[in-house]
Amino acid sequence: QQPVQSPQAVILREGEDAVINCSSSKALYSVHWYRQKHGEAPVFLMILLKGGEQKGHEKISASFNEKKQQSSLYLTASQLSYSGTYFCGTVSGGSNYKLTFGKGTLLTVNP
Amino acid sequence: GAGVSQSPRYKVTKRGQDVALRCDPISGHVSLYWYRQALGQGPEFLTYFNYEAQQDKSGLPNDRFSAERPEGSISTLTIQRTEQRDSAMYRCASSSQVAGGEYEQYFGPGTRLTVT
Repeated sequence: QQPVQSPQAVILREGEDAVINCSSSKALYSVHWYRQKHGEAPVFLMILLKGGEQKGHEKISASFNEKKQQSSLYLTASQLSYSGTYFCGTVSGGSNYKLTFGKGTLLTVNP
Repeated sequence: GAGVSQSPRYKVTKRGQDVALRCDPISGHVSLYWYRQALGQGPEFLTYFNYEAQQDKSGLPNDRFSAERPEGSISTLTIQRTEQRDSAMYRCASSSQVAGGEYEQYFGPGTRLTVT
């Protein structure tokens, strides 16, 4: 079953922060985050494995709450280059390769 | 190094024709995935290969869709008797050995298929 992302879209001014949420109705083994710019392929950002760890990637970090079956992506001090559609992909029990992607969150960062 | 490549990048075909989409993964990547991505949606899993073995084809919509990776490198996704509903972006991705769940999938540029 497809994870649910929220919000569907967000508009920021450069330097502002944003949080993108991803929730699933199934127990999760891992959560993968990708960013896709218009007309391009999705690009990997980070993976979170079950265990509630938090990871960081420059000014982008994420958390994974296994019990709540949720993950959040945090973008701080946003830059123009952060604009794009963010997808979470979830892996549930039974396989460790099959990603089920959400519908995406469109992030627009304006000057 | 070179990323994942796909060909053709664009394919227009008439309803009822067969099409073959090619994926050339990153050298050394043993895992290969096919996805379909509709406009405004996330990628939808179609099938997964580990080396030359097709380990999961649960996402293939029907038996008109098939995929192979005979030598564990290049893969071909074939759609027989295409229908208009098959129109979409077809993306390939590859990764190194899937172990412990911590792996990055590298996506290719995709093949935009249009069935008229």
